[in-house]
Amino acid sequence: QVQLQESGPGLVKPSQTLSLTCTVSGGSFSSVDYYWSWIRQRPGKGLEWLAYIFYRGDTYYNPSLKSRVAMSIDTSKRQFSLQVSSVTGADTAVYYCARVRRDSGGYPHHFDQWGQGALVTVSS
Amino acid sequence: QSALTQPASVSGSPGQSITISCTGSSSDIGSYNLISWYQQYPGEAPRLILYGVTQRPSGVSDRFSGSKSGNTASLTISGLQAADEADYYCWSYTGSRTVTFGGGTKLTVL
Repeated sequence: QVQLQESGPGLVKPSQTLSLTCTVSGGSFSSVDYYWSWIRQRPGKGLEWLAYIFYRGDTYYNPSLKSRVAMSIDTSKRQFSLQVSSVTGADTAVYYCARVRRDSGGYPHHFDQWGQGALVTVSS
Repeated sequence: QSALTQPASVSGSPGQSITISCTGSSSDIGSYNLISWYQQYPGEAPRLILYGVTQRPSGVSDRFSGSKSGNTASLTISGLQAADEADYYCWSYTGSRTVTFGGGTKLTVL
């Protein structure tokens, strides 16, 4: 059974860069069947997709955040990461990493496994 | 990229059926069957309950069903139970390798 676990600082200062890592245990990591993704949820708000990445490094971003968000992947460590630059209080959220099923056409099909989430607070 | 539109809240009594709508556009829901639904309890991660419009993952009750008509997808929960009280989110592929979630619907079981 695949498990995903987010890790990283719980507190980030305004204007700095938020960095999170997701470690995947179990299942296949370097597979054509999956993308790996980040989603966040601001306090009391809905889910917001941030980005997803293929094991070869192909990356796709939410257009509204593209200028501040970057994803990377390290297949040897079974980890993928998120960086959000120039953070403000609006970036305070629970950040989830998730696995995305990829269909035969390369389209993202659905999120089938989620991490438990990591709360990141932006405050001085 | 705009979020898909869901009602903020719906409610129903135990045993009843409820339907949550998710309205998009011809560029997302209207063009693809890459639509899924997620259930989220307070303080927990979301859980997949439907994918590919109508498919249920293993372990999800058949009381949950999905459909699509035009630019609107729907989640129906039949035989409502207290345990169904949660937030529900739709999700769709939106083209150009981007995806989006609906704004979420809070289901209250009266």
